[in-house]
Amino acid sequence: NAGVMQNPRHLVRRRGQEARLRCSPMKGHSHVYWYRQLPEEGLKFMVYLQKENIIDESGMPKERFSAEFPKEGPSILRIQQVVRGDSAAYFCASSEGGSGANVLTFGAGSRLTVL
Amino acid sequence: QQPVQSPQAVILREGEDAVINCSSSKALYSVHWYRQKHGEAPVFLMILLKGGEQKGHDKISASFNEKKQQSSLYLTASQLSYSGTYFCGTEMNNAGNMLTFGGGTRLMVKP
Repeated sequence: NAGVMQNPRHLVRRRGQEARLRCSPMKGHSHVYWYRQLPEEGLKFMVYLQKENIIDESGMPKERFSAEFPKEGPSILRIQQVVRGDSAAYFCASSEGGSGANVLTFGAGSRLTVL
Repeated sequence: QQPVQSPQAVILREGEDAVINCSSSKALYSVHWYRQKHGEAPVFLMILLKGGEQKGHDKISASFNEKKQQSSLYLTASQLSYSGTYFCGTEMNNAGNMLTFGGGTRLMVKP
C-alpha cells in the first residue's frame, strides 16, 4: 500500500513563475492537508480539503496561493508569481477523516526553491 | 493557536531519558506526536485523546493532562535512532479538522 505520494520532490523556479505541487493521498484516505515548513521551523497549516471541497483554508495566504482536490486525480497546491519568501518545504498529509482524532500520514514533501 | 513545546533542544547520551512537553492555552480534544528526521517526512508516534485513550508506539510513552492542557512525551533508554525533531500537534475538537503543530524539539542522541 503506497503511502502519500508527492511530486516533484524538488522544484526550482525564478521569481514570477508558477509552481504546482501534487499530492496523491494514501489509498482509502479522502482528506488532504497541506503544510508549509521553513528551514529549522515547525509545520504551518495551510489548507484542508476533501474531494471537490475546501474545508478550511485559514492558513493560506490570500493572494497567489490556491489548492484543489478534484474528483479524479491528485490534490494540487498552486503558487502563482512566486517570490523568494515562498521557498520552503511543502508537505501534504492525508487521513481517513471523519469525526474523532485523525492520524495524519505525511508525504516526503516538495522542496521549492525560488531564485 | 500554536502549542508551545519545551525544551527547544536536547542532547543526550545513548541510554539516557528525556521528556518533551507540549502546552496549549486552549482546551484540547487530542494531542498527536510526530518525529521528523532531517530532510524527511514527519512520522506518526502517538495520539492521546481526551478521556484517556491512546494509540501509538510500543517503546514511547506519553501523558495528557486535560485540565492543564498539557502533554508530555517520554523517551526512555534513548537510542541513536531517536535523534530528530519532535512535534506535537493539537486538535481542539473531534470534527476531523487540521492539527496545529508546535515549533518542535530537536533531540540529538550521541554514542
